[in-house]
Amino acid sequence: AQKITQTQPGMFVQEKEAVTLDCTYDTSDQSYGLFWYKQPSSGEMIFLIYQGSYDEQNATEGRYSLNFQKARKSANLVISASQLGDSAMYFCAMREGRGFKTIFGAGTRLFVKA
Amino acid sequence: EPEVTQTPSHQVTQMGQEVILRCVPISNHLYFYWYRQILGQKVEFLVSFYNNEISEKSEIFDDQFSVERPDGSNFTLKIRSTKLEDSAMYFCASSDYKGNEQYFGPGTRLTVT
Repeated sequence: AQKITQTQPGMFVQEKEAVTLDCTYDTSDQSYGLFWYKQPSSGEMIFLIYQGSYDEQNATEGRYSLNFQKARKSANLVISASQLGDSAMYFCAMREGRGFKTIFGAGTRLFVKA
Repeated sequence: EPEVTQTPSHQVTQMGQEVILRCVPISNHLYFYWYRQILGQKVEFLVSFYNNEISEKSEIFDDQFSVERPDGSNFTLKIRSTKLEDSAMYFCASSDYKGNEQYFGPGTRLTVT
């Protein structure tokens, strides 16, 4: 069964607008971590944001925020004020329990239009 | 800013040969990882390494693969008897003891011909 589901293979957003990238996850562990990574066309993996399952507040890092809805098992990434440089593939990932194995979703390709 | 480095950036090898991919993790990090990404597909966890031993591995990480920290700075992935389907980008990553931020290297693109 899919542990991490990203249902949007591609998304378009107008420059300066906000965009939400969806991510749902499946786990029976009470303790887990959720991550978002950005992969530009150059191929590197850039860490964006982390949310722990016990964190009560939604994580924020600059223009990135993670909309964590535990009951719905969703961890959507919100990018505010999109920039052309935000065009990239975005991966949602999860680490379960006390382990360090990180499972990635299939990714969403974001296109920012000028 | 400290970063994870990987060498080589691109490795071409013939089927059946052995390859060693090298990584230098961030110096004060304790956990090290290898991932692979077949072109156009998702990133797949291979193995995590802590205190000179494997802490977790995926089903992909079979006897064909091995990891080693031969000295205080390098972390290597050895792939024996390479197959065509081993062609992928291989990423090394490292994190501190919390593991909340795994920093990835730029990757090594392995092409098996």
